[in-house]
Amino acid sequence: KAGVTQTPRYLIKTRGQQVTLSCSPISGHRSVSWYQQTPGQGLQFLFEYFSETQRNKGNFPGRFSGRQFSNSRSEMNVSTLELGDSALYLCASSFLGRGYGYTFGSGTRLTVV
Amino acid sequence: GQQLNQSPQSMFIQEGEDVSMNCTSSSIFNTWLWYKQDPGEGPVLLIALYKAGELTSNGRLTAQFGITRKDSFLNISASIPSDVGIYFCAGKTSNTGKLIFGQGTTLQVKP
Repeated sequence: KAGVTQTPRYLIKTRGQQVTLSCSPISGHRSVSWYQQTPGQGLQFLFEYFSETQRNKGNFPGRFSGRQFSNSRSEMNVSTLELGDSALYLCASSFLGRGYGYTFGSGTRLTVV
Repeated sequence: GQQLNQSPQSMFIQEGEDVSMNCTSSSIFNTWLWYKQDPGEGPVLLIALYKAGELTSNGRLTAQFGITRKDSFLNISASIPSDVGIYFCAGKTSNTGKLIFGQGTTLQVKP
């Protein structure tokens, strides 16, 4: 059974640019959540999608957005990148969408220069 | 906002020793999860706890959901070098996927 796939693994962007990250959940999982991990703030919840609807949103500025497609794949977008957006972005999927054994992908390492 | 206090922040132990770490919160959680993260990888779920008082084992790992629902601990028995990594607790309060993570415990094991 394939795990959670995140692409790309590494990304370098310039300040002011925008970026789109992709997450393919485990087959059959309908819930996808996104987290930002930094050394200073740790793991912070960005948002969660379930059946193409955003169910919950963390405390991040509107530059951070996401969406989920009918096949449960999800994308997150960050516009007008800032240096502080450099982080490991992690996606997690779950079957029931209730935190039952959320499975994380390996993440996308974003560096903003 | 909700916060989890995880301790200790780091541990350096001898191979074969037992390890204990815990998380506490001022908020009540209805799910506690323990994850391990290796460098450059995403967290891997070790143990999930869904009921107050629940004690669950996974090999050499044992975790408990505190009776007050505000704390959880993880024990690792007879540590081995591959136990090295960062261990995170995570709590959840609702039927959505928002996990609140602790700051992590960095474990180093000396052979």
